[in-house]
Formats: sequence, C-alpha cells, structure tokens
Amino acid sequence: ETGVTQSPTHLIKTRGQQVTLRCSSQSGHNTVSWYQQALGQGPQFIFQYYREEENGRGNFPPRFSGLQFPNYSSELNVNALELDDSALYLCASARWGTGELFFGEGSRLTVL
Amino acid sequence: QQQVKQSPQSLIVQKGGISIINCAYENTAFDYFPWYQQFPGKGPALLIAIRPDVSEKKEGRFTISFNKSAKQFSLHIMDSQPGDSATYFCAARGTSGSRLTFGEGTQLTVNP
Repeated sequence: ETGVTQSPTHLIKTRGQQVTLRCSSQSGHNTVSWYQQALGQGPQFIFQYYREEENGRGNFPPRFSGLQFPNYSSELNVNALELDDSALYLCASARWGTGELFFGEGSRLTVL
Repeated sequence: QQQVKQSPQSLIVQKGGISIINCAYENTAFDYFPWYQQFPGKGPALLIAIRPDVSEKKEGRFTISFNKSAKQFSLHIMDSQPGDSATYFCAARGTSGSRLTFGEGTQLTVNP
C-alpha cells in the first residue's frame, strides 16, 4: 500500500507567478484535502475534494484552486503568488467520512 | 468558533517521564479528535484519535483523555523517549469530511 506522495518537494517562485503542486492519494482513499502550514504553526485547511468536486473550503482567496482527478490524485494551483504564500503545502487523503487523514511530506514553497 | 487552543507551546521532559499536552475547543459540532506527530521536514503523522463518546483511549505509551463537558482533551506520553522529540498537534474535525482544525503545536524535547 503506497502512501500519499507530493511533488515537487521544494520550489522557489517570484511574486506574481503561478504554481501547481501535485498529490497522489493513498490507495483506497477517495477524498483529498490541502493544508497550508506556515513556519512554526499548525496546518490551515485550504479545501477538500470528493468525487472530483470541491467540498468545503477554508479562509483562502479564489486564487487558490484545485482539481481532483478520477484516480483521486489532485492538484493545488496558486495564482498571483504573494510573499505570504511561502509555506509548506500538505496534501492529505482519506476515505470519506472517516476523519483519518494521512498526510504527504509536503511541498515547500518559497516566494521571493 | 472553529478555534482549537493548544498548550504548552514547548515542553522539555526527561527520558522516562510523562509528557502531557492539552487542548481546548469551542465548537460542540466537532466529532473527532486526532493527534498528529510531526518531525522536521516531514508531514504530520496520525498518532492516536478519539471520538467524543469515549473518555479515554490508550495505544501503547500514548493516551488521550477527553472531557466533553469541559471541551478539553489531552495527550499523555508515558515513559517518554528521546525518539518522541517532535512537534505534536491536536486537531478537531467538524461535520465536513476531511476538514481538520489544528492547534498551534507543542514542541516536545525529551532529554536522554
């Protein structure tokens, strides 16, 4: 059974650029959610996807968007990057309704 | 109110001692309370979790105590080991799938 995998592990962008982060869910999981973790803080919920549709969103602007594919993998897209977007972006997968989230190792984004 | 408050921010314990981390919540709709362990450069790993109809859950050296009336729950690590040194996050799930609200984290150091 493979775990949650994320790519890339690290990336550097400049302000105003766009970024796409990718996530492969754990086998047997049909829900994927994304979290932003700033340095020294707890993860903050961005949104979750179930059956390829966004199903719940945290307090993040529309320039944060995502996709879930039929194989339950997912993408997080962030447009018009700002300095404050620098963080660790975590993807988590689960079976819908269980609450047992399994996280990937994250993508470390630095915005200069 | 979706907040989960965690204390202490940091904790130093001697090897073999008991580590205790506390969390409090306000939203009575929360129905699942996991604890995550995170090592530097890694994603959070699910450690143990409890539902509000149970007052205590034990798995090995890890125990969750849950007080529904006080809206508080805590993690106890018995016989703490240097390998337990990590950041611990409490979290709570609302009624929406994979949406977790995390505490701010506790950095645990276990001295040999």
